[in-house]
Amino acid sequence: AQKITQTQPGMFVQEKEAVTLDCTYDTSDQSYGLFWYKQPSSGEMIFLIYQGSYDEQNATEGRYSLNFQKARKSANLVISASQLGDSAMYFCAMFQGAQKLVFGQGTRLTINP
Amino acid sequence: EAQVTQNPRYLITVTGKKLTVTCSQNMNHEYMSWYRQDPGLGLRQIYYSMNVEVTDKGDVPEGYKVSRKEKRNFPLILESPSPNQTSLYFCASTAWIRGNTDTQYFGPGTRLTVL
Repeated sequence: AQKITQTQPGMFVQEKEAVTLDCTYDTSDQSYGLFWYKQPSSGEMIFLIYQGSYDEQNATEGRYSLNFQKARKSANLVISASQLGDSAMYFCAMFQGAQKLVFGQGTRLTINP
Repeated sequence: EAQVTQNPRYLITVTGKKLTVTCSQNMNHEYMSWYRQDPGLGLRQIYYSMNVEVTDKGDVPEGYKVSRKEKRNFPLILESPSPNQTSLYFCASTAWIRGNTDTQYFGPGTRLTVL
């Protein structure tokens, strides 16, 4: 069965430092999509970045980039120059079998001033 | 503005009292789904719909019903709510083009408490 694993329950980072949030996935599908979402304390789910399995280049969206290593089945999120507003829960997710989105357990990121 | 709306945002109810959480999207998306979020368990899919009149079970469908009579609406129905359905619920929609998906838009969430 498809699965998403986020091994870091919590991370603490100094403001302005770069941070990498880990995500590994398991799937037998050839075609799939990987997503990262941010959930601040207010509760809403905010889309950050998307990577398709056939995309040859790593996705980037402003300060967010996705380090996609297909052979290793990893899709780590990199946040450059972290800000206090980046403190939130971060979820990695994969579109499974062209039918449903499977989420990891999440990583709580805290940015310290 | 592209958005997914859910109502109500907060609801406290009692065991056994039927309730409906509405979900509507204005992006003409084919695919819609419902998730519940519980501490330590992340988000789990309840039901999804590939298009009008096409729905299917997700990972945790027990105790829930859905319908998709119109493309824009995808209500979640709890016929007889129980305390273990206390959770944060999200509706989401996405375009579906030849087996590939794009950004999945989430509603603001509905916090449900069943006493």
